[in-house]
Amino acid sequence: DTEVTQTPKHLVMGMTNKKSLKCEQHMGHRAMYWYKQKAKKPPELMFVYSYEKLSINESVPSRFSPECPNSSLLNLHLHALQPEDSALYLCASSQEPSGGANVLTFGAGSRLTVL
Amino acid sequence: GQNIDQPTEMTATEGAIVQINCTYQTSGFNGLFWYQQHAGEAPTFLSYNVLDGLEEKGRFSSFLSRSKGYSYLLLKELQMKDSASYLCASLDSNYQLIWGAGTKLIIKP
Repeated sequence: DTEVTQTPKHLVMGMTNKKSLKCEQHMGHRAMYWYKQKAKKPPELMFVYSYEKLSINESVPSRFSPECPNSSLLNLHLHALQPEDSALYLCASSQEPSGGANVLTFGAGSRLTVL
Repeated sequence: GQNIDQPTEMTATEGAIVQINCTYQTSGFNGLFWYQQHAGEAPTFLSYNVLDGLEEKGRFSSFLSRSKGYSYLLLKELQMKDSASYLCASLDSNYQLIWGAGTKLIIKP
């Protein structure tokens, strides 16, 4: 299995809703990432988990809450989002945590619309 | 500051060759990646260069000049399926990826 699977593919939510994005990989990768990507912009790093521990939080607002239940799963819990949070949320994994030239394997993304 | 520059959009003809340039200024350098991203899909890895020179992989080649802070991605024998965005990303001294905004490549018959 060489894939990163993200669900849901599309999500529409109101500003008062609570929802979660899910990501799964079975490649034995030890690092997992959340990126946010707006149209015609590069991916912006949000969080990095290394060996199931949060290693990087790029000053992301607390309305985004990551969780890594085990080495194969990564969640992003969403609460009280703003319309400007609408974007494509990409999950990625790499064999090892940062410290080397790790190739990222991306999921297809979850397209989030906040009304 | 850290900066990656690449053209916003390029157009080329099926069967032709196209070169997508990328210049980078990052705090330290540990290599340069190229990723391909089709609309609405995940970015996929194309190449990684850390030494100067040209690396060839089938129809795609990637070049790096560290002294010039410059890389290019060369696509030969273009096919319609090559229409996508091509993202250049530099690995800085902390092994963090600094991404360019991407080059949208349009292939015409």
